[in-house]
Amino acid sequence: NAGVTQTPKFQVLKTGQSMTLQCAQDMNHNSMYWYRQDPGMGLRLIYYSASEGTTDKGEVPNGYNVSRLNKREFSLRLESAAPSQTSVYFCASSPKGSYNEQFFGPGTRLTVL
Amino acid sequence: GNSVTQMEGPVTLSEEAFLTINCTYTATGYPSLFWYVQYPGEGLQLLLKATKADDKGSNKGFEATYRKETTSFHLEKGSVQVSDSAVYFCALGANNDYKLSFGAGTTVTVRA
Repeated sequence: NAGVTQTPKFQVLKTGQSMTLQCAQDMNHNSMYWYRQDPGMGLRLIYYSASEGTTDKGEVPNGYNVSRLNKREFSLRLESAAPSQTSVYFCASSPKGSYNEQFFGPGTRLTVL
Repeated sequence: GNSVTQMEGPVTLSEEAFLTINCTYTATGYPSLFWYVQYPGEGLQLLLKATKADDKGSNKGFEATYRKETTSFHLEKGSVQVSDSAVYFCALGANNDYKLSFGAGTTVTVRA
């Protein structure tokens, strides 16, 4: 099992460019999440998908969109990147009935110039 | 709302020293509490958990006890190793909510 995989690992964008971060899990988990990690602030939830076909806003959703493509895949899109979106992005998943026990991917380090 | 406050780092220790990282929380109801660990260049991994008051979570020599009276979940290890160098996050999950609330993280460096 690969667990939770994320692509790309690193990305540099210019202000105003768009991109999609990809996430997939092979653990048959129901729920998936996108977080951003900034120094001194822990992890903050951007969006989550409680189950296939549903998505909900988290703590910091502005400037992002998500798509739950199927049970395995959950993508995060930046339509018009801003320097404030420079961060490390983590995808996570959790099984049905244990949604607080989340399994994390290795992260994507994004820099917006 | 729910929140977690954990001890600021960085913390630097010698091998075989005792480690404590303080974590306190604010929540309504009866949340579950977690410690996650992030090794350099990796994502977070669940280290241990406790789901009700007085529960003790333990893993890899680490322990934490859910203290409702002091709203705390302090992480301890009696004898650290260089391989324990990482960032440690305390987190809270409400029982009716998919969201985890994380503390800011504490960076621990263990020197040989």
